Amino acid sequence: GAGVSQSPRYKVAKRGQDVALRCDPISGHVSLFWYQQALGQGPEFLTYFQNEAQLDKSGLPSDRFFAERPEGSVSTLKIQRTQQEDSAVYLCASSAGIAGLAGEGNEQFFGPGTRLTVL
Amino acid sequence: AQKITQTQPGMFVQEKEAVTLDCTYDTSDQSYGLFWYKQPSSGEMIFLIYQGSYDEQNATEGRYSLNFQKARKSANLVISASQLGDSAMYFCAMSGRDTGRRALTFGSGTRLQVQP
Repeated sequence: GAGVSQSPRYKVAKRGQDVALRCDPISGHVSLFWYQQALGQGPEFLTYFQNEAQLDKSGLPSDRFFAERPEGSVSTLKIQRTQQEDSAVYLCASSAGIAGLAGEGNEQFFGPGTRLTVL
Repeated sequence: AQKITQTQPGMFVQEKEAVTLDCTYDTSDQSYGLFWYKQPSSGEMIFLIYQGSYDEQNATEGRYSLNFQKARKSANLVISASQLGDSAMYFCAMSGRDTGRRALTFGSGTRLQVQP
């Protein structure tokens, strides 16, 4: 398919386990974003990549969260020593341009998300 | 800082009628973008419509239109001729160009239910 894909779609982890969430953006898209969506809330920004460079990680809630995009395409969000408060849907979005602003040919296209449940 | 407020947790509308979903925002940026996304139960965020802060005309995309009132800092979404498939969560969001904040700031959403 041509859209953003994420895997796994569902992940159950025991408290203290490490998890890795994968995002495959639309081919050729320069910008990649990770968002965290708690139940019943809107998504909240975690981090932003322009190609392989992580330009903004101001939304990462703690140093247990780490993201990478080593070749400027696929990205992985890693959460170490998971806690119950990490339970959420993790959304990945990509856009064609650098600014990531819609209306300039740079709409953000979202993947289906990974639902993480920490027991 | 940017903030989006959606004051309607849930809305009901009869099929084929129009509905307005409210959104107000706050930002220190002079130039910014406003967005609406639809999130069905499948979870994927679907882009609906965009309005730039300097756009003089309200944006329209098919059955969607954005009622942009800059002085009131509101960006309400109007859906005309509602369809059963419009039942979903709707999120208003914004980004700020001045600060270079590329990420979107979202509101808490409105759950729309279209009744036959």
